[in-house]
Amino acid sequence: SYELTQPPSVSVSPGQTARITCSGDALPKQYAYWYQQKPGQAPVLVIYKDSERPSGIPERFSGSSSGTTVTLTISGVQAEDEADYYCQSADSSGTVVFGGGTKLTVL
Amino acid sequence: EVQLVESGGGLVQPGGSLRLSCAASGFTFSSYWMSWVRQAPGKGLEWVANINQDGSEKYYVDSVKGRFTISRDNAKNSLYLQMNSLRAEDTAVYYCARAQSSSAGVYFDYWGQGTLVTVSS
Repeated sequence: SYELTQPPSVSVSPGQTARITCSGDALPKQYAYWYQQKPGQAPVLVIYKDSERPSGIPERFSGSSSGTTVTLTISGVQAEDEADYYCQSADSSGTVVFGGGTKLTVL
Repeated sequence: EVQLVESGGGLVQPGGSLRLSCAASGFTFSSYWMSWVRQAPGKGLEWVANINQDGSEKYYVDSVKGRFTISRDNAKNSLYLQMNSLRAEDTAVYYCARAQSSSAGVYFDYWGQGTLVTVSS
């Protein structure tokens, strides 16, 4: 199985742009997905198929892909965006992999 | 409104067994892949198992193969996870999740609130 690598933490001030990366060898061939998880709550899907945003997710959340790295970008970060963020993908055998998670701190 | 409600968690001794259930509502259960995802205390998310619409395809993370069994009852709109030979490292919150599976991959668009499984003597 392969791995997805995320930075453990990212810090930004309110109103700035946060970028969270996720790297993996299979990402050029497989889509990536992003989840937001706040303390004590279940994860919420915020980006699917690299860059698509589910209904109800604010426009400040966007995703992009380049080679073996995908990026979740949060523009104009708000205090409510403070959370853990996880990338996820799947390999060709039908198994699913999550990144280790990134804690976003809004200063 | 899509709802997923897990039950069946609790304290179990190492080597013991537990069966988790997930009651689904608000969507046509039999049309979707379903999954279990777990999260150990203070740790990240770990996918556990997937099952397709009619139960004919099942996939597991290596660490639970041979010990856990995912199943479903479409007549009851329910998903299950039978966990045998439990170990301390299986201690986690277990989430039931609706999966979207296609050539584009597999991802989880709705999650339950989770049920805590604690394996300890």
